[in-house]
Amino acid sequence: DADVTQTPRNRITKTGKRIMLECSQTKGHDRMYWYRQDPGLGLRLIYYSFDVKDINKGEISDGYSVSRQAQAKFSLSLESAIPNQTALYFCATSDYGTGDTDTQYFGPGTRLTVL
Amino acid sequence: QKEVEQDPGPLSVPEGAIVSLNCTYSNSAFQYFMWYRQYSRKGPELLMYTYSSGNKEDGRFTAQVDKSSKYISLFIRDSQPSDSATYLCAMRLQAGTALIFGKGTTLSVSS
Repeated sequence: DADVTQTPRNRITKTGKRIMLECSQTKGHDRMYWYRQDPGLGLRLIYYSFDVKDINKGEISDGYSVSRQAQAKFSLSLESAIPNQTALYFCATSDYGTGDTDTQYFGPGTRLTVL
Repeated sequence: QKEVEQDPGPLSVPEGAIVSLNCTYSNSAFQYFMWYRQYSRKGPELLMYTYSSGNKEDGRFTAQVDKSSKYISLFIRDSQPSDSATYLCAMRLQAGTALIFGKGTTLSVSS
């Protein structure tokens, strides 16, 4: 979905490196989310933010941190990457309260490989 | 027991077949049920949404929720090769709470 963009789309890094994944959206939504997707495990929520001043941990936040720089930008950081963080990462947005039933719209994903 | 169970497949069918995809769940408090479709190398996109029990139809797709059995289904009629994708069920307790996803079922429709 072009309204939700993620950079980079692919990244290969080494164990111990700091990595930042960025998400931007032009949908005007207040809510933003970070998920990771692993084969056999499905989509799991890492962090979510309901507005610029609100950050919440999801199911698997250990080893990750986030920053909500603006309504439209939500970054995910791996302070010291490890191989089991190799996964496909998705950003999503939603807009609760518009009658849209809080539908989540996903970005195209970032494929991260940690060697 | 996982909150949401979904058979990962893969499921292979010929073009024109009726496809049934299913999820079971353990939390009877779930009220909102969704099906997302994910093409290879793409993000998931919302396909169907249902609140509480009942059926919802949209073209060739029908979503069904049976809360008494804690079971949801997605039916695809006259399946097409373009339906080949991974289908993820998702559900939540109420609007604004976290979505819980199934692991996804990979569907392949051959022409």
